[in-house]
Amino acid sequence: GAVVSQHPSWVICKSGTSVKIECRSLDFQATTMFWYRQFPKQSLMLMATSNEGSKATYEQGVEKDKFLINHASLTLSTLTVTSAHPEDSSFYICSGSRVNNQPQHFGDGTRLSIL
Amino acid sequence: GQQLNQSPQSMFIQEGEDVSMNCTSSSIFNTWLWYKQDPGEGPVLLIALYKAGELTSNGRLTAQFGITRKDSFLNISASIPSDVGIYFCAGQLRGGSEKLVFGKGTKLTVNP
Repeated sequence: GAVVSQHPSWVICKSGTSVKIECRSLDFQATTMFWYRQFPKQSLMLMATSNEGSKATYEQGVEKDKFLINHASLTLSTLTVTSAHPEDSSFYICSGSRVNNQPQHFGDGTRLSIL
Repeated sequence: GQQLNQSPQSMFIQEGEDVSMNCTSSSIFNTWLWYKQDPGEGPVLLIALYKAGELTSNGRLTAQFGITRKDSFLNISASIPSDVGIYFCAGQLRGGSEKLVFGKGTKLTVNP
């Protein structure tokens, strides 16, 4: 099946730091990638849809200036959590979808802990 | 917005037992997907369903796309300890590059 690689797998940093998370599709070109946030014991919450070469579409309530998304190539999308604070601590997961009507495949997630 | 009702919320079963979980929606979906998530990892695709009435198997897993296109179920036969995890259903109005609507998950515990 399709492989999506996410990096880093976990990060701990001080409040006020900006953190960048990378999502790569390793064996397919992903014109669209998705970023999710998951709190403990809850389902995945879609944050934004990232389209290659264009601006991301953010879900209602997600601050676009807080969560910067860049999708510069067909194999890489990045999520930057700017000036992170403890309430931004969460599990962030990306997914990618092939061009030809294939289901989304997920990365292994990034555990972000802000002290 | 659309919501998926997934049940049961949790299940505790003995190894060897069969398991069934389902998702229902007030909206029609054209694609149903079932994922499994282990702790600290991303969801892994188990089965994808694209046609109403479709019944698809993946080893001991079987899933069906309901005729009304508003529901789907997942069965696991002869459960084993490694089946432990959280199972999520997800739907798409169309498919492919469209965003997913997720159920709240079914947490499965298998006692050896």
